[in-house]
Amino acid sequence: GENVEQHPSTLSVQEGDSAVIKCTYSDSASNYFPWYKQELGKRPQLIIDIRSNVGEKKDQRIAVTLNKTAKHFSLHITETQPEDSAVYFCAAYSGAGSYQLTFGKGTKLSVIP
Amino acid sequence: DSGVTQTPKHLITATGQRVTLRCSPRSGDLSVYWYQQSLDQGLQFLIQYYNGEERAKGNILERFSAQQFPDLHSELNLSSLELGDSALYFCASSVIPGYEQYFGPGTRLTVT
Repeated sequence: GENVEQHPSTLSVQEGDSAVIKCTYSDSASNYFPWYKQELGKRPQLIIDIRSNVGEKKDQRIAVTLNKTAKHFSLHITETQPEDSAVYFCAAYSGAGSYQLTFGKGTKLSVIP
Repeated sequence: DSGVTQTPKHLITATGQRVTLRCSPRSGDLSVYWYQQSLDQGLQFLIQYYNGEERAKGNILERFSAQQFPDLHSELNLSSLELGDSALYFCASSVIPGYEQYFGPGTRLTVT
């Protein structure tokens, strides 16, 4: 089955700086890669996603890049703000027809004012 | 608010008991997913239903079962509860399998 590795597990940045979180996946048939933001005690919230026919997608301060050959994808947050502090999860759909989402173990992002 | 609802929000019960968690998907969504989130295990996929039929199973214990009803709401049944079953249980829904999943607020289960 799919295996998703996420790095780093914790990340601290100064307000205004950029943050990058990286994930690798194992199933070459995977074709959909969402990112979720989870604040303490709350639901995971879909913030951006990308499909395998696209190399990059941007939404205001957030962007995701995908390298299918290397089987890795990254989340980029620019001009970070304190409200960006949360745990971020990457995920990948297995391409086996069941569309099971496999999540990375999460990155705790702290933005220091 | 994602449009996915879950009840109850909190549940405290004793070991050996059985509980039922309920989920209503977003209007128009046919697929429902259940996840378990504990501190040391991250988000673990349990089971998926699409239009009333089971489509995929993850690391779901035999003590756990689920179903999706004709009105598309879903229930997750947890029996013979153990201390280690204490976790947040999330339901998510999507229009059809393979599309964006939106999560409900979760049910926090505490087994004492």
